[in-house]
Order: sequence, then structure tokens, then C-alpha cells
Amino acid sequence: DAGVIQSPRHEVTEMGQEVTLRCKPISGHNSLFWYRQTMMRGLELLIYFNNNVPIDDSGMPEDRFSAKMPNASFSTLKIQPSEPRDSAVYFCASRTGTSGGATGELFFGEGSRLTVL
Amino acid sequence: QQQVKQSPQSLIVQKGGISIINCAYENTAFDYFPWYQQFPGKGPALLIAIRPDVSEKKEGRFTISFNKSAKQFSLHIMDSQPGDSATYFCAATIFGNEKLTFGTGTRLTIIP
Repeated sequence: DAGVIQSPRHEVTEMGQEVTLRCKPISGHNSLFWYRQTMMRGLELLIYFNNNVPIDDSGMPEDRFSAKMPNASFSTLKIQPSEPRDSAVYFCASRTGTSGGATGELFFGEGSRLTVL
Repeated sequence: QQQVKQSPQSLIVQKGGISIINCAYENTAFDYFPWYQQFPGKGPALLIAIRPDVSEKKEGRFTISFNKSAKQFSLHIMDSQPGDSATYFCAATIFGNEKLTFGTGTRLTIIP
């Protein structure tokens, strides 16, 4: 089975440009999460969706960040305009619910490494 | 109340030794404590998890020890191998809750 698929794997852009990161969750998973990882702050939850609906976006750093999930198999994280401090690895993760004894294990993609010059 | 404190930040262990990583939490409502393992260039992956109805869980060379009264839990890696070199994250949540609170990570290096 394919895991969580993220694109692009690497993105280098200049300050002020728009950046769009993409994620395809595992089929059948009903929750999707966007995390940001930096050396200073570790893994930070930015936003998560349940059944394509944004549930908690309190981790989104500011209005420059937005996320959408138009259907169960696709999500985007957009940064506009980008700034050097946005440089990080952005991870998408998905999971099923915990009903029926499921563990609710988070499955992460391989991440998108963003560098803003 | 939502923090999970993890130590040490980095750890070097000789091959065959025991690696120990510690975490402490504040929210007494937390009842699910997973550990994630991350290799360079990869996303974190679930390694082992425990719920507080037991004080210890073992899977192969990996053991979680849990102390509910102290609000602490730890990961022990027995007979550490170079292939165990990775970053380890502890986490905590209320089981069934969507949000995991992660520790800051421990970079483990196993030297020959």
C-alpha cells in the first residue's frame, strides 16, 4: 500500500513568493494533519482535518498560512507570501479513527523541505 | 498543561549498550503515550506505545516504562545497534483525541 505522499520533496524559493505543498493521505484515513519541523521548535502541529473539515488551526502561525482539503484524497498547505523564517520541513500525516480498537497510529509522509531565501 | 518534556536532547551510546530516553508530562488526562522514530530524510514512524493500565510494555529490544504517579515515561533500547541511530520523539494524548503533543526529540547515535 502506498503511504502518505507529499510533493514537492524539496522547494527553494525567494522571499515573497507563494509556496504550495501537497499531500495525498492514505486511502481510508479520515484525519489529516500538517506538521512543521524545525531544530528550534521540534514538531509543531499546524492544522488538522477530520473528514475533510478543518477542526483546529490554532497552530497556523499567521494569516500567510492557509490549508485546504477539497476531498478525502488531497490537501494543500499554502504560504503566501513566504518568508525566510518559514524555512522548515513540513510533514503531512494521516490516520484512521480509534473506534473498534484501532490505535489511531499517525502515518507520516517523507516531508517537504522548504527553503526560503 | 499540554507540554511534554523530553531529555536528553542528544545521546551517544556504544553498540550493545542500553539507550534510555525520558519524558515527563503535566496533563493528568493523558492516557496514551507513543514513541516515534525518525530516520534522516524520513517522516516519524510509530515505534511503540503504552497506555497507563500497565507499567511496562516490551517489543523486542524496545521497552516503555511508565510511572503514572510521577507522570513520567521512558524508552529503553536494549543491545543498541548502529541501525537504531535516529531521532526519537515521545508523545502524549488522550486516547481517541486527534492531537498528539510531541516532545522535542532526542538524537540517538550508536557508535561501534
